[in-house]
Amino acid sequence: RKEVEQDPGPFNVPEGATVAFNCTYSNSASQSFFWYRQDCRKEPKLLMSVYSSGNEDGRFTAQLNRASQYISLLIRDSKLSDSATYLCAVSALYGQNFVFGPGTRLSVLP
Amino acid sequence: GAVVSQHPSRVICKSGTSVKIECRSLDFQATTMFWYRQFPKQSLMLMATSNEGSKATYEQGVEKDKFLINHASLTLSTLTVTSAHPEDSSFYICSAQTSGRAGTQYFGPGTRLTVL
Repeated sequence: RKEVEQDPGPFNVPEGATVAFNCTYSNSASQSFFWYRQDCRKEPKLLMSVYSSGNEDGRFTAQLNRASQYISLLIRDSKLSDSATYLCAVSALYGQNFVFGPGTRLSVLP
Repeated sequence: GAVVSQHPSRVICKSGTSVKIECRSLDFQATTMFWYRQFPKQSLMLMATSNEGSKATYEQGVEKDKFLINHASLTLSTLTVTSAHPEDSSFYICSAQTSGRAGTQYFGPGTRLTVL
C-alpha cells in the first residue's frame, strides 16, 4: 500500500459546483498535513495546511480524520481558475518523512 | 514569506554536458531542501533530500554520481546533472523546508531541462 493515496481523477465539474477530494495516508505517526495546488508546467504551491479541528480559507475547507487516516479538501462555488492538480502531503513531526500524494486533477468547465 | 528561487528556469544543452541548477531560500533558512523530478503528466518524484553540511540522501534508483547535490549553506542547494542525456530531460523542482513543528515545504519555480 502506498504511503499517501489520492484518486487521480480527472474530476470534471461545472462552474459553481462543489467538489471534494480525499487523501488517505498509511503512517499513523503523521502529524502535519497539507494541500498543494499545481498548475500545468508549474511548481506546486501551498494551498493550505490542515489543522486537527479543520480549517477554512474562503471557498476552501480542509478537514482531518485521524481515526480513518484521511484528509479532505472541499471547494465551494468552483471557478474556472480552480482547474489544477491538487496534491496532498503528510509528514511526521518537524517535517520528517514528508510524502506527497500523486495528485487529483480537477477541471472546472464553463 | 517563504520564497524559494531556482535558477535557471530553462536550459537546453547538448548530450554529455553537465548542468547545474541552484535552489535558494530567499527569506528563511532551510536546513533541509529536496529535489524532485517530474515528467509530463506524471507525479512529483522525490530524487534526494539535501541536508545542510552533510551528504544528500538519495531515493532508490537515483544515481548519486549522476545527480550531484551540494547544500553548502542554509539558503543554497545545488543539483548538478552530470553527463546529461536526452532521457534526463525533465522538470526539476526544488523545495525548501521551514524549521519548526510543521516543517512546511515551499517550492522553487522549477527548471525545465532539455537535453538534445
